[in-house]
Amino acid sequence: GESVGLHLPTLSVQEGDNSIINCAYSNSASDYFIWYKQESGKGPQFIIDIRSNMDKRQGQRVTVLLNKTVKHLSLQIAATQPGDSAVYFCAENQAGTALIFGKGTTLSVSS
Amino acid sequence: DTAVSQTPKYLVTQMGNDKSIKCEQNLGHDTMYWYKQDSKKFLKIMFSYNNKELIINETVPNRFSPKSPDKAHLNLHINSLELGDSAVYFCASSQSADSPLHFGNGTRLTVT
Repeated sequence: GESVGLHLPTLSVQEGDNSIINCAYSNSASDYFIWYKQESGKGPQFIIDIRSNMDKRQGQRVTVLLNKTVKHLSLQIAATQPGDSAVYFCAENQAGTALIFGKGTTLSVSS
Repeated sequence: DTAVSQTPKYLVTQMGNDKSIKCEQNLGHDTMYWYKQDSKKFLKIMFSYNNKELIINETVPNRFSPKSPDKAHLNLHINSLELGDSAVYFCASSQSADSPLHFGNGTRLTVT
């Protein structure tokens, strides 16, 4: 399943599918990007980050892709599990400023 | 051993009251933040402190006053509470401005 375009507020996938959550960032001078996961009643939790000198970074079951040309960031989750259900936020940071968060995407995983 | 802890978790109060939210981090980080999350889940930076000094102060009403007694604590005091202040407030900390933020679990403020 994939959220396409600038932003889709919700994404529903089946357990075991790969999920792709997309994000468009606003500031071409941003040089650090982070994906966060927020579960109900909790604070945002760090998933993975990437700096502007890279275009891809992999973690455990997650991959972040950065396309600076079109100011686009994506989070890929492999073999999505029910525990992945949460709100996902991308965030950008320009040196010397605070993290600016994008609108969240709610991922729902059905088994 | 909670890394970033904030109290209280829930705060229900009436318009016009003054309230405080406390935040402590045991990560040894130099920078602390307050973010506000509205009903649409949008997270917005309010303040940032580095080693007890105010670094970022977004366009927040001056009814909101952060206080950092030491670099492990950043408290938020709100005067004359208004209905529009109802939100979830998150404290966070980071080692530096370009490293990941660690968030607390939020304080849900409801103003009636």
